[in-house]
This record gives sequence, C-alpha cells and structure tokens, in this order.
Amino acid sequence: GAVVSQHPSWVICKSGTSVKIECRSLDFQATTMFWYRQFPKQSLMLMATSNEGSKATYEQGVEKDKFLINHASLTLSTLTVTSAHPEDSSFYICSARVPPGQGTGELFFGEGSRLTVL
Amino acid sequence: QQQVKQSPQSLIVQKGGISIINCAYENTAFDYFPWYQQFPGKGPALLIAIRPDVSEKKEGRFTISFNKSAKQFSLHIMDSQPGDSATYFCAASSTNAGKSTFGDGTTLTVKP
Repeated sequence: GAVVSQHPSWVICKSGTSVKIECRSLDFQATTMFWYRQFPKQSLMLMATSNEGSKATYEQGVEKDKFLINHASLTLSTLTVTSAHPEDSSFYICSARVPPGQGTGELFFGEGSRLTVL
Repeated sequence: QQQVKQSPQSLIVQKGGISIINCAYENTAFDYFPWYQQFPGKGPALLIAIRPDVSEKKEGRFTISFNKSAKQFSLHIMDSQPGDSATYFCAASSTNAGKSTFGDGTTLTVKP
C-alpha cells in the first residue's frame, strides 16, 4: 500500500514551546491530508483537514491558533502545536487519501507522533 | 450523534478461534467501509475495506461482511493468532466528503 511518513515519532518539549510535526506522502500526491489526535485507549479524533494550497478546515472545538496546519506541497503537511502545555500531550496521527485517479481512494496513516509536554 | 457504532469494546478469543467485530452506521451517503488495525504506539494500518456494491470481501484470514439494508458491516478474523492482538477500528466515509468517521475501537486479545 501507499506510504505515509510522519516525523518525529516522539518528542518531549517544555511547556510554552512550539513543536512541529511533519507528514509526508512518499509515493503519491495528496491534495488532502488529515490530522488526528488520539488519547490512550480511545478512538481517533479528527482535528482538521489539510488542503494543499489553501487554509485547513478545522473541526468544531479545535483551536486553529493553537494547532497550526500548513500544506505547502502535494506531499507535505505540517502540524505545529504552539505554546504547548501538558494538556496537549497526546498521540498525533496524520493520514492521506490516495486520489481516485492515482489509486482506489484509500486512506493511509502515518506512524503517529507521541508528544509529551513537561 | 455517533455515526459509526462499534462493538464489542473488547474481545478475548482463544488461538484458532474466530474473532467477530461489528459496526453499524447511520449515514446512507457512506460508500467506503475500511477496517484498520492498530498496535500500541503505532498508527492505524489499513486491513481490508469494502464498498456497498458487494456483500462480502475476503483477504486471507480476514473477511468483511456487509449488509446494506441493515447498515451494518462486520470483520471476521478466522484462525485468530496471538499476533492479531491489537485494536481494530471500523470506519466509514463518502467519496465526495473525503473524511472518515471512526468507530470507538475494539481491543482484541488472542490467547495462546
């Protein structure tokens, strides 16, 4: 299947700092990527839809100024957690959908990034 | 309103047994129903998926059964192995909308 790479896989930062997580589609172009947050033993919570060349679409209750999303190219989307606090500690996962013209429209996930804010 | 309901929350099966996880959806616009397998500390991996034009799809030990009229679909894992122990998520999406709605997940434990 298609490969989605996420980096870093884990990061520890101090409260008040910002952290950037990258999501890359390695073997296909993704006009749309998705960012999720997952708490222990819970399902994936969609945070936002990242659209190449335009602003991200955030889900209700997600602070757009807190979680900055940039989709600068067809293969890269970034999530920046600004002024991180301990309550932002979580597992962040990105996904990308193979466009119907390049495949079957399946959704592939990155390996996830574990953020711990001290 | 939860659009995709998944059950059971947890499941324990003996090695060699059949694991069955069920999902029900509400939105009739959904036309793509995948199952994902997730190991601790890893992202979900696509396991198998089905579209509404077929009632069953089999890939190795994994089978999806789909009932369009009942708006239900299920994952069957035949000859379950300890290596299958993971969390399984069903999902549903519509091709036009793009984003997926996930079930709450089922933690499967296969005992040797």
